[in-house]
Amino acid sequence: GAGVSQSPSNKVTEKGKDVELRCDPISGHTALYWYRQSLGQGLEFLIYFQGNSAPDKSGLPSDRFSAERTGGSVSTLTIQRTQQEDSAVYLCASSSRGPLGDEQFFGPGTRLTVL
Amino acid sequence: AQTVTQSQPEMSVQEAETVTLSCTYDTSENNYYLFWYKQPPSRQMILVIRQEAYKQQNATENRFSVNFQKAAKSFSLKISDSQLGDTAMYFCAFMNSGNTPLVFGKGTRLSVIA
Repeated sequence: GAGVSQSPSNKVTEKGKDVELRCDPISGHTALYWYRQSLGQGLEFLIYFQGNSAPDKSGLPSDRFSAERTGGSVSTLTIQRTQQEDSAVYLCASSSRGPLGDEQFFGPGTRLTVL
Repeated sequence: AQTVTQSQPEMSVQEAETVTLSCTYDTSENNYYLFWYKQPPSRQMILVIRQEAYKQQNATENRFSVNFQKAAKSFSLKISDSQLGDTAMYFCAFMNSGNTPLVFGKGTRLSVIA
């Protein structure tokens, strides 16, 4: 089946504008993760959804960041009043419970540039 | 909190040679998972190899193998018969238990030279 998809692939915005990044996980995967990769850095965890449980928001860097997951499938990461330091690649991943449930499958990412 | 350290920001290797990428981690947990991911210029994160901490045998996937030293909290990746397509960023990652967020190292940029 299809892998994890993300849109848009690239997003350029002006400082102070809001942006929405979309993630379509693999069908049937119960867990969904958002990570941020800044230039030259590893991936930094942002937020994590597992089934119907309350999301783990412990990685969100500020209250300008929020995410939701509708119907246990598609997720949207919203960044309000973007700042230049928000420029990064935002990666989404999904996984499922089961014998191989600990493998996370990643999307191609959204490169966000804040001017 | 768990941490993952990759002490080699960049490495290079001649085609067909063998290279080892280092990774150490810090945790107080006894059961966990370790991963190596490859990220080529396309940005797509690709799982290379995984190791369950309760397994003593080192994982192997074709030309890729690991040296897992649990007591030393070390998890190195060996790439044999390096190919030009192996050129990429390599990230070591730790997972505390199934279906929880990964903790990544800062990565090692590997260049395979013809």
